[in-house]
Amino acid sequence: GQQLNQSPQSMFIQEGEDVSMNCTSSSIFNTWLWYKQDPGEGPVLLIALYKAGELTSNGRLTAQFGITRKDSFLNISASIPSDVGIYFCAGYYGGSQGNLIFGKGTKLSVKP
Amino acid sequence: DGGITQSPKYLFRKEGQNVTLSCEQNLNHDAMYWYRQDPGQGLRLIYYSQIVNDFQKGDIAEGYSVSREKKESFPLTVTSAQKNPTAFYLCASSMGPPREAFFGQGTRLTVV
Repeated sequence: GQQLNQSPQSMFIQEGEDVSMNCTSSSIFNTWLWYKQDPGEGPVLLIALYKAGELTSNGRLTAQFGITRKDSFLNISASIPSDVGIYFCAGYYGGSQGNLIFGKGTKLSVKP
Repeated sequence: DGGITQSPKYLFRKEGQNVTLSCEQNLNHDAMYWYRQDPGQGLRLIYYSQIVNDFQKGDIAEGYSVSREKKESFPLTVTSAQKNPTAFYLCASSMGPPREAFFGQGTRLTVV
């Protein structure tokens, strides 16, 4: 089936540093989503991208839909301790409503 | 407040017993989904429903069953046929395609 490769698997950074993570696929998607999950909670939608090349910000978060439609990245600027969590990308390639594929997540740890 | 409610938060069951996880939403969303999450893994789709009285198998439906008798409710039954049921289960809903799926807080099922 469809698969997303999300990297890095984990990051341990200092407070104030910028963070970058990405997802790639061998298939074309027409929507990319980025979620954050706190321990023991459900994922929360951060950013949704619908067009190739689209660049969207949400506060200190910026995400881009790759031109090839096979990748997306998420940047977090000036990280703070509450950014800790697992970030998931998800891609939707249309058709059936079940066709939302998730990456395995990037675990972010922030050192004060 | 509108949202998705999963209950219970934690559930313990003996091996061989069926167990039902509850998911209710008051967002007036047509589509609902069940995902399973294992440590270090992305979310894997169990079942989804686009409309009342209709549902479709996802990637890992074996050992699970669902019903959609009301728009607001999409309960998941983990049957004794599921070989490895211990996991974190997430319910989600969306207005249409899962491009902006919103998640509940999850149920952690432990089978002993």
